[in-house]
Amino acid sequence: TQLLEQSPQFLSIQEGENLTVYCNSSSVFSSLQWYRQEPGEGPVLLVTVVTGGEVKKLKRLTFQFGDARKDSSLHITAAQPGDTGLYLCAGVDNDYKLSFGAGTTVTVRA
Amino acid sequence: EAQVTQNPRYLITVTGKKLTVTCSQNMNHEYMSWYRQDPGLGLRQIYYSMNVEVTDKGDVPEGYKVSRKEKRNFPLILESPSPNQTSLYFCASSSVFTGGEDYGYTFGSGTRLTVV
Repeated sequence: TQLLEQSPQFLSIQEGENLTVYCNSSSVFSSLQWYRQEPGEGPVLLVTVVTGGEVKKLKRLTFQFGDARKDSSLHITAAQPGDTGLYLCAGVDNDYKLSFGAGTTVTVRA
Repeated sequence: EAQVTQNPRYLITVTGKKLTVTCSQNMNHEYMSWYRQDPGLGLRQIYYSMNVEVTDKGDVPEGYKVSRKEKRNFPLILESPSPNQTSLYFCASSSVFTGGEDYGYTFGSGTRLTVV
């Protein structure tokens, strides 16, 4: 059983559409991270959110950390083919251990 | 360039033949970790190390060994590989989490291991 549940598992949208990926847990984390992984490469850190209720923007990507620090969402506005990839959320506990969700595979069609 | 380097990128081996996957980081990070990635299961931690000579089991340590004799290196050892260890392996490193928003793991490019 995954400590962090991501939904949906797969997402295929047309260029220009918006999308949201969710990451939920019953555990409280000291911080939560989002990574993007492209085929044949390791995950690359997108953002770390630390404060409950925090919202961070990275160009067209908006990340939100839940008030109770148990869940997070990633919203992409006007998706582009370059956004295609596997999106992973990861919760950091007090011992610095990262627990990953299974990931959401996003495909943006041109 | 700050990076985590894993070798080899691809490896095909036979059951029972000992192998080592090397991992090296040039960022003076205290924390290093090994993960395996399998379809539908995501990234699962095998072993981690908080600093030199300090290692601990992750979620799926069976069949693996690690060592941390130097800060920059964290090799993964499979003493007697079996087909269920066929997977994509990642090494990662980070500084100690101090609550900063720049905290994050740097991952290597992965090692795809096939055990036949």
